[in-house]
Amino acid sequence: SQQGEEDPQALSIQEGENATMNCSYKTSINNLQWYRQNSGRGLVHLILIRSNEREKHSGRLRVTLDTSKKSSSLLITASRAADTASYFCATDARGSQGNLIFGKGTKLSVKP
Amino acid sequence: DAGITQSPRHKVTETGTPVTLRCHQTENHRYMYWYRQDPGHGLRLIHYSYGVKDTDKGEVSDGYSVSRSKTEDFLLTLESATSSQTSVYFCAISGSRAGGPETQYFGPGTRLLVL
Repeated sequence: SQQGEEDPQALSIQEGENATMNCSYKTSINNLQWYRQNSGRGLVHLILIRSNEREKHSGRLRVTLDTSKKSSSLLITASRAADTASYFCATDARGSQGNLIFGKGTKLSVKP
Repeated sequence: DAGITQSPRHKVTETGTPVTLRCHQTENHRYMYWYRQDPGHGLRLIHYSYGVKDTDKGEVSDGYSVSRSKTEDFLLTLESATSSQTSVYFCAISGSRAGGPETQYFGPGTRLLVL
């Protein structure tokens, strides 16, 4: 069963614009992670935010977490064509033995 | 790719034949995972391992078995492949943290087509 659900399913923007993707989940979590997948490749970890954190930054990435709403957002600022990829949120639910449950992903297309 | 390889990278097989996929890591990580990725379903966990000879089922384990006789190798076997097992299979690894495994590192994937 899917724990995380990303929204939107697909997003198309111009280079230089910001891209925002959202993730909603169902149960209490230890942490929430975001991964990127380029076409035909494996997933690459981007950022992890713990349940007691509200915001985290890494380069052009900004992640927020609202545990009361069971939701997270990933903001990519000043997007580049190289950011074109699918983005997945994954939750480490409490009691899950550390196993991650992945959402279905947001497909981001950044046009030059 | 964090020292993870998968073999084969592509495989075409026929219904009813056994298939074994191999995941090899050079990171000495304790945890290893097998996922399948299908359109409309995202990644789903098949089996995972938390140490040599220690494995457990994931969300979609029916029709699959695994073995881990060495830290570096995690094998996924389809005893009798079916067309519904056509998918892209990813191996992932994770090291131990105080609270358990966290960040996962993924291999390049194996594309399996069952005819």
